[in-house]
Amino acid sequence: AQSVTQLGSHVSVSEGALVLLRCNYSSSVPPYLFWYVQYPNQGLQLLLKYTSAATLVKGINGFEAEFKKSETSFHLTKPSAHMSDAAEYFCAVLTQGGKLIFGQGTELSVKP
Amino acid sequence: NAGVTQTPKFRVLKTGQSMTLLCAQDMNHEYMYWYRQDPGMGLRLIHYSVGEGTTAKGEVPDGYNVSRLKKQNFLLGLESAAPSQTSVYFCASSPSRGGETQYFGPGTRLLVL
Repeated sequence: AQSVTQLGSHVSVSEGALVLLRCNYSSSVPPYLFWYVQYPNQGLQLLLKYTSAATLVKGINGFEAEFKKSETSFHLTKPSAHMSDAAEYFCAVLTQGGKLIFGQGTELSVKP
Repeated sequence: NAGVTQTPKFRVLKTGQSMTLLCAQDMNHEYMYWYRQDPGMGLRLIHYSVGEGTTAKGEVPDGYNVSRLKKQNFLLGLESAAPSQTSVYFCASSPSRGGETQYFGPGTRLLVL
């Protein structure tokens, strides 16, 4: 069965610092992987997705993620955090049946 | 182009009451989904539909029913609400299942007393 684990339910960084949100997946087939962001009281918005093309995927708002098959990881990074990046971030894997399996979410706080 | 819309935005129910949540999409997507979001558990799939007139169970279907009579609408029903169904409900749609992005609605916050 496919699954996703996000390490750390809460991450706090200073404005301008590196953002690193961790995601590990379990899949017996080449996965499709997604990162979504949820701002307070809003729905989920796609940040980026990996669909077996380039292993380094660039998304919106300066975020990127690298697919590492050997580590079964798909960590999300951004070189310099902005206050507006404060939100909850979800990693997800798409099953062969077309269903998204989400991780537990990581809340990102950005300190001035 | 409104994308995915959900009504209502917020609702309070008493235990045992029934209600229907409406999801509508104007993107002509084939697939539609209902999720619930609870703290520390991410989003969990309740039911989904791969086309008009079809529905299927997801991860947590008990206590819910769905209908997809029209391609653009996906209804989620609670026949007899329970406090355990207090949650935020999200609807999503996608063109197909093959690696396509799911587009989410703004959510419905439901409180069952």
